[in-house]
Amino acid sequence: GESVGLHLPTLSVQEGDNSIINCAYSNSASDYFIWYKQESGKGPQFIIDIRSNMDKRQGQRVTVLLNKTVKHLSLQIAATQPGDSAVYFCAEKGYSTLTFGKGTMLLVSP
Amino acid sequence: KAGVTQTPRYLIKTRGQQVTLSCSPISGHRSVSWYQQTPGQGLQFLFEYFSETQRNKGNFPGRFSGRQFSNSRSEMNVSTLELGDSALYLCASSDRVSGANVLTFGAGSRLTVL
Repeated sequence: GESVGLHLPTLSVQEGDNSIINCAYSNSASDYFIWYKQESGKGPQFIIDIRSNMDKRQGQRVTVLLNKTVKHLSLQIAATQPGDSAVYFCAEKGYSTLTFGKGTMLLVSP
Repeated sequence: KAGVTQTPRYLIKTRGQQVTLSCSPISGHRSVSWYQQTPGQGLQFLFEYFSETQRNKGNFPGRFSGRQFSNSRSEMNVSTLELGDSALYLCASSDRVSGANVLTFGAGSRLTVL
């Protein structure tokens, strides 16, 4: 969901679980989407991307699903590890620049 | 291959002062974008440069400006600092300016305005 003010949506999982992070995007003309991971004190790091002519793309332990009908994007992380703890951002690219969502914090307990 | 380098990493200024932040992109990347990150607003686009030309600009006041040099290094400047300018300023580089391109971010410059 959307974050308000200082409060990010938070997903808490146990190590080894699968995690699903959701994102609603706003521009139906967006044709490219990226997921970034940001750890404390670091800049955002690229995870996986997908073009609008696809509805699924898989990487190593991660899968991105795109539903253009409802303008929804999700990131699935398999066998979540403590090192996956971070804030995850989705970003959409429409006419020119990347627009970022507010982010979701993923907390992984050992 | 070295990543995106931003300097300084941390700085403290007072209201009314001005600040200049520097960004060295990945070697060979000609596009540099700047973002402001705050807890309340998230990541907001400031501007993008490609081959020394500003290609896109976000919705920020004229106090925020930038430039890009012939070696693709970029600087951004904020004049007459306000408390609300306290943020993490992120620079990202890419090898192209349009289409599906991945931005590679630096670690950011954290600005605190007192």
